[in-house]
Amino acid sequence: LAKTTQPISMDSYEGQEVNITCSHNNIATNDYITWYQQFPSQGPRFIIQGYKTKVTNEVASLFIPADRKSSTLSLPRVSLSDTAVYYCLVGAHSGAGSYQLTFGKGTKLSVIP
Amino acid sequence: NAGVTQTPKFRVLKTGQSMTLLCAQDMNHEYMYWYRQDPGMGLRLIHYSVGEGTTAKGEVPDGYNVSRLKKQNFLLGLESAAPSQTSVYFCASSYSNREHYGYTFGSGTRLTVV
Repeated sequence: LAKTTQPISMDSYEGQEVNITCSHNNIATNDYITWYQQFPSQGPRFIIQGYKTKVTNEVASLFIPADRKSSTLSLPRVSLSDTAVYYCLVGAHSGAGSYQLTFGKGTKLSVIP
Repeated sequence: NAGVTQTPKFRVLKTGQSMTLLCAQDMNHEYMYWYRQDPGMGLRLIHYSVGEGTTAKGEVPDGYNVSRLKKQNFLLGLESAAPSQTSVYFCASSYSNREHYGYTFGSGTRLTVV
């Protein structure tokens, strides 16, 4: 299973752009990189997924360099409601052929007014 | 469209009691998962299912059993609850195993074993 490393916590002021970087040195050729967001007392919510280069949706952008050993989640102009834990995950296939995701401890983002 | 629904939302058990957590999804997803989340530990996979009638062990399966008799339901059972099983339990489902389409999570069940 591919292991990910991301900062434990980050602070940001409202209106700033936030970049959270995740390293995944042993990512496999077929693995996708996925980010989830989790608010207190809620289940994680899918934010964005990518394989290489750049992906953008209405919530965030995901930047993946050519070697795919890291990725950066970019949140434009954060607000207080973006305070949450953000998980970087790299998919892996189990021996049974199932596509499991391994969640690390995530990055706790605190947005300050 | 309800997505993934977990029942109950809260439960307190005495040590040695048994209970079943129910997860239901209405998205026709093939894959379903049970995770537990403890403070500072992230989410850890307990058991998962790749289709109706199938189950498999995840990272922390001891003390739990699961069943997937219907495609839309995935049950997590605790036969003899222990205080170490105090946790928040999340169910999730996904569409495909060829590519990752994103997991949909339920809102969780907070279980306390005293």
